[in-house]
Amino acid sequence: KAGVTQTPRYLIKTRGQQVTLSCSPISGHRSVSWYQQTPGQGLQFLFEYFSETQRNKGNFPGRFSGRQFSNSRSEMNVSTLELGDSALYLCASSANAVNTGELFFGEGSRLTVL
Amino acid sequence: KNEVEQSPQNLTAQEGEFITINCSYSVGISALHWLQQHPGGGIVSLFMLSSGKKKHGRLIATINIQEKHSSLHITASHPRDSAVYICAAGVGGGADGLTFGKGTHLIIQP
Repeated sequence: KAGVTQTPRYLIKTRGQQVTLSCSPISGHRSVSWYQQTPGQGLQFLFEYFSETQRNKGNFPGRFSGRQFSNSRSEMNVSTLELGDSALYLCASSANAVNTGELFFGEGSRLTVL
Repeated sequence: KNEVEQSPQNLTAQEGEFITINCSYSVGISALHWLQQHPGGGIVSLFMLSSGKKKHGRLIATINIQEKHSSLHITASHPRDSAVYICAAGVGGGADGLTFGKGTHLIIQP
């Protein structure tokens, strides 16, 4: 069974640009959740999508958005990038919601904002 | 708003020692996750608990719902157990997703 795939693995952007990250969940999983990890703040929950609907959202500005497609693949977008957005962005898939199902994480997308 | 506290932040132990990592949270939850992250590596889910105790190999996780506390134990620790261990709490039906502890950086010396 293929694992969770995130693309791209590494990317460098400049302030003011926007970025789109992709996450392909394990086949059959309907929940995809996104997380930001930084040395200072640790892991923080961004949002969760379940069957194409956003179920939960963390405390992040509106510049962070996401969506889920009918095949459960998900994308997250960050607009008007700031230096502080430099982080490892992780997604996780689950058969059930994050509050009730085991999580399977991707390797992450490491974003550097210059 | 749920708050999750982990202790200790850092732990260095000798191979073979019994390890305990603690996690406390402030509001009732529906599930608690224990995660493992190796340096430069991805995150692996070790356990998801809503009550009681779970065991997998040398790892044991317990949760006390009344005391809002969970522990992760490692028996017969080994250098390959060196990693960051993170707990994450989820509130049932809540809109906040998961709240994470800051992690415990564990080093097992041979």
